Amino acid sequence: AQTVTQSQPEMSVQEAETVTLSCTYDTSESDYYLFWYKQPPSRQMILVIRQEAYKQQNATENRFSVNFQKAAKSFSLKISDSQLGDAAMYFCAYRTSYKLIFGTGTRLQVFP
Amino acid sequence: GAVVSQHPSRVICKSGTSVKIECRSLDFQATTMFWYRQFPKQSLMLMATSNEGSKATYEQGVEKDKFLINHASLTLSTLTVTSAHPEDSSFYICSAGPSHTMNTEAFFGQGTRLTVV
Repeated sequence: AQTVTQSQPEMSVQEAETVTLSCTYDTSESDYYLFWYKQPPSRQMILVIRQEAYKQQNATENRFSVNFQKAAKSFSLKISDSQLGDAAMYFCAYRTSYKLIFGTGTRLQVFP
Repeated sequence: GAVVSQHPSRVICKSGTSVKIECRSLDFQATTMFWYRQFPKQSLMLMATSNEGSKATYEQGVEKDKFLINHASLTLSTLTVTSAHPEDSSFYICSAGPSHTMNTEAFFGQGTRLTVV
């Protein structure tokens, strides 16, 4: 069975600084998708970034980028120039057969 | 992006009663929708996959008779919590997406906070 692990329950970062959130996963499949979702206090799930496993190039969306290491089954999220609005729960997710499997989440605090 | 609307956002019900939560795709047709449950400060756990015109597929450990899912149209799936108990209190979230995005993105409803008293 596929599993997704986020080893950092909480992280904090100073405004304008950079922070990296870790995620590892376990799967025997070769083709899959990985996602980072943000859940602010409103609890609305917001897609931050996605990565197709067959693509070697790391995905980037503005201040958000990933470090995808397929052999190591690692998928970390880097947030550059952190902003107060980045404070939220961040969930790493693995997609298989249209189902999403979520990690346990990392609570990110951003300090001014 | 596609819009998924969930209703109600909050509901309080008495123990032993049933409560229905609706999940609608507003600007696309969804043959498949997903229902998740989230306990406080925890992750989203997939409960079931709702399939239009057929029976839902439940994840292991989820009681089919407790959580009734109906997907009667291409834009509406409902989750009914039957004979609710305080331990059913939780945050329930649905998700869906247009067929061509099924692998690349999921769109989420706003969620429903259920409190059973």
